[in-house]
Amino acid sequence: DAKTTQPPSMDCAEGRAANLPCNHSTISGNEYVYWYRQIHSQGPQYIIHGLKNNETNEMASLIITEDRKSSTLILPHATLRDTAVYYCIGTNSGGSNYKLTFGKGTLLTVNP
Amino acid sequence: DAGVTQSPTHLIKTRGQQVTLRCSPKSGHDTVSWYQQALGQGPQFIFQYYEEEERQRGNFPDRFSGHQFPNYSSELNVNALLLGDSALYLCASSLVARGGYTFGSGTRLTVV
Repeated sequence: DAKTTQPPSMDCAEGRAANLPCNHSTISGNEYVYWYRQIHSQGPQYIIHGLKNNETNEMASLIITEDRKSSTLILPHATLRDTAVYYCIGTNSGGSNYKLTFGKGTLLTVNP
Repeated sequence: DAGVTQSPTHLIKTRGQQVTLRCSPKSGHDTVSWYQQALGQGPQFIFQYYEEEERQRGNFPDRFSGHQFPNYSSELNVNALLLGDSALYLCASSLVARGGYTFGSGTRLTVV
């Protein structure tokens, strides 16, 4: 699995967009980028994943650079409930028969 | 639709004892994975079950074993408990070939 690097913490004002960066310079061509988040005392929650193209769903958008060495998770209108640890993970399958290698993630704090 | 259900939610055991944790996957999911999360760390992959067989295993000793039943539910067994086994144990389910795991809220195991 690709090694990923994320800032340990970030702050965001409520209602503003939260942009969470992730570096994955060693990612290989068949590895997907997955994002999960973990709110305190809960299990991780799947957010979004992508391979090459930008992706959007009801929770967030994922922007992957053309060289695939980095990506950004965008929460368009952050709320207090978005305060959580966000994990960026590179893994070698778009299906579910893969394992997730979690790092320490980014603690996003959304402030009122 | 119930998500992933884990039991018990909390457990206290003594060193040397054995423990069994249980997981019911989300309805329609057929793959179950187990993760261990120590305090302040990201979850670490233990193993994954599909069609009642262990298909992947992380770097955990043989004291950690598991089982998947025909109804897709799963158990995690840990023998000869050590103080270092104290952690949050997370179960995640998925459908093969579909992206994104659904995690349970975990079982908090404390070994004294």
